[in-house]
Amino acid sequence: ELKVEQNPLFLSMQEGKNYTIYCNYSTTSDRLYWYRQDPGKSLESLFVLLSNGAVKQEGRLMASLDTKARLSTLHITAAVHDLSATYFCAASRGSGTYKYIFGTGTRLKVLA
Amino acid sequence: SAVISQKPSRDICQRGTSLTIQCQVDSQVTMMFWYRQQPGQSLTLIATANQGSEATYESGFVIDKFPISRPNLTFSTLTVSNMSPEDSSIYLCSVGQAPMNTEAFFGQGTRLTVV
Repeated sequence: ELKVEQNPLFLSMQEGKNYTIYCNYSTTSDRLYWYRQDPGKSLESLFVLLSNGAVKQEGRLMASLDTKARLSTLHITAAVHDLSATYFCAASRGSGTYKYIFGTGTRLKVLA
Repeated sequence: SAVISQKPSRDICQRGTSLTIQCQVDSQVTMMFWYRQQPGQSLTLIATANQGSEATYESGFVIDKFPISRPNLTFSTLTVSNMSPEDSSIYLCSVGQAPMNTEAFFGQGTRLTVV
């Protein structure tokens, strides 16, 4: 059974600092996703990672995937207040499915 | 990406009653799903809404409690039946398109409070 774990659950960081969120999954999954959720809002897609070694960057966020280690990371560079949100990783339950198992989420607060 | 509209956006309901949540997509989509997000928690898949046939439910979820309809490729409903305070959650509709070369997209959610 696929399980997805994220850490940390909570992250409070100063503006301008760097940090990494980790997402481990327990069994083989061919796709890994990162979403952002603002309070009271739905999920906004950030990254889709499809293969081992995939790296994607958008602004101050960079995501990577290591399928051998069953690990994805979301790296935040020089954090700004606007990045405050909850970040979820999700893994596909099987090949060719949109059925996702979500991680616990990381609640990020960037302090000015 | 598809534009997904959910109604209602929020509701407060009495225990023992039922609420039907609608999910409307602006284009035909292959797959539709319903998720639940309990307060402060992650998302859990409730079921896959199958067009023209019975929904496929995940472990821990049953049709009597969460009946789902999907009459066409753009619309689905989720009913939360005989509600109790434990049903207080955000319910989200999700859609995906075949072939599976993009991510799933989510509606804005329905925030349900049962009193």
